[in-house]
Amino acid sequence: EPEVTQTPSHQVTQMGQEVILRCVPISNHLYFYWYRQILGQKVEFLVSFYNNEISEKSEIFDDQFSVERPDGSNFTLKIRSTKLEDSAMYFCASSELYQETQYFGPGTRLLVL
Amino acid sequence: AQKVTQAQTEISVVEKEDVTLDCVYETRDTTYYLFWYKQPPSGELVFLIRRNSFDEQNEISGRYSWNFQKSTSSFNFTITASQVVDSAVYFCALSKGYNDMRFGAGTRLTVKP
Repeated sequence: EPEVTQTPSHQVTQMGQEVILRCVPISNHLYFYWYRQILGQKVEFLVSFYNNEISEKSEIFDDQFSVERPDGSNFTLKIRSTKLEDSAMYFCASSELYQETQYFGPGTRLLVL
Repeated sequence: AQKVTQAQTEISVVEKEDVTLDCVYETRDTTYYLFWYKQPPSGELVFLIRRNSFDEQNEISGRYSWNFQKSTSSFNFTITASQVVDSAVYFCALSKGYNDMRFGAGTRLTVKP
C-alpha cells in the first residue's frame, strides 16, 4: 500500500541553524501539507501546497518557514533559523484531490538545542 | 470559527470494556469534513475515518463505530470490546471548505489487561 515517507526520522540542531525536512508524498497525490505537533500537544496545521504554490497557511507559518517541491517526488519544509520553540514532531501529509482524506507520514522529530 | 473539542483528556478502561470518545465541533460552514486519527505510542498518525457533513449515517468497522449527529455537533467514536492494542491518543479533526485540518486536543486511551 502506498504511503507517505519522511526523512530524517529524527534531527537535532543548534538554535539559529537551518533545517530541511523532507517528505515523499503518495505518488498520485496532488495536495501536500505540513503539520507540527509540539510534545504532548495537539496537531497544528502549518501549510498546504498545490500546483507548486502555497494554497493556505496558518499564523504559525511565518517568514522563517518555506516549502518547496524541488522535483517530481519530494516536498520539503525549510526552517531558516531554528528557535527552541520549533522543537516538535513535523508531519507531512498528502491527498489525492481537493478535500479528500489526508494521509500522514511517520513524522520527523526535530529537537533544537 | 472552527473548533474541535475533545473534553476527555484521558480515559482508562479494562480490556473488553466498551469505550466512547467524545468529539464536539463548531463551524459556520455547511460543507465540512470530520475525521478521526489514531496516534499510537510510536507517534505516527493513522487515519480511521472521514465523514462529510451531508452524511449522518452511522458507520461501523469491526469493533469501531462512529455516531455523527449534526443536531448536537458531535462525532463520537466507540470502541467495542477494547483491546490493549487500542491504547493510543485519538484525535478528532475538522476540515472546512478548503484544505487545512483543525485537530482537537486528543484523548489518551489506556486499555489495561
